[in-house]
Amino acid sequence: EIVLTQSPATLSLSPGERATLSCRASQSVGSYLAWYQQKPGQAPRLLIYDASNRATGIPARFSGSGSGTDFTLTISGLDPEDFAVYYCQQRYQWPRTFGQGTKVEIK
Amino acid sequence: EVQVVESGGGLVQPGGSLRLSCAASGFTFGSYAMSWVRQAPGKGLEWVSSISERGGDTYYGDSVKGRFIISRDNSKNTLYLQMNSLRVEDTADYYCARGGWSGANDYWGQGTLVTVSS
Repeated sequence: EIVLTQSPATLSLSPGERATLSCRASQSVGSYLAWYQQKPGQAPRLLIYDASNRATGIPARFSGSGSGTDFTLTISGLDPEDFAVYYCQQRYQWPRTFGQGTKVEIK
Repeated sequence: EVQVVESGGGLVQPGGSLRLSCAASGFTFGSYAMSWVRQAPGKGLEWVSSISERGGDTYYGDSVKGRFIISRDNSKNTLYLQMNSLRVEDTADYYCARGGWSGANDYWGQGTLVTVSS
């Protein structure tokens, strides 16, 4: 199984700052990596698919990059609504796997 | 508007069974693979199972393989998860999500809570 390791576990930032989240895969997943946002009490929401493509309705401040084993989600200027937990997921191989999540909290 | 709505969660004793349903609307259900993802209280996301568009192919996570069965009825626009031999560690919110086969999970339901406890 492909293990996804996200770092850092927690990111403490202020509104307007830039957030950089990392997801590293134990083996290559090509570009088959997605990012999801989850707020307390809510379902996950797809942000980025296939490493760098924004999902429908996702603001341009969210961007994804990377391929192979190293991926990054960047939020260019944190909006108060962006404080949440972010997960990466690979669809390169079965079983599908998620990273353990990065919590972006208000500093 | 694309919607997926889960139902069927509840309290069940260890060793018991439960069937979850996911009613889909707003898209051509039979043209999409579907998935179940779960989240234990206070924990991260765990992929459970996925089924192809016509239901002919299925995959399961190791933790549920042999106990859970995913299925779908395209005539009813409904996805199912039959859960047998339930364990305390199966306690979680169970989410139905569109996709997960040749694409990401792009639409998610609000989840249904399954609690396994004596």
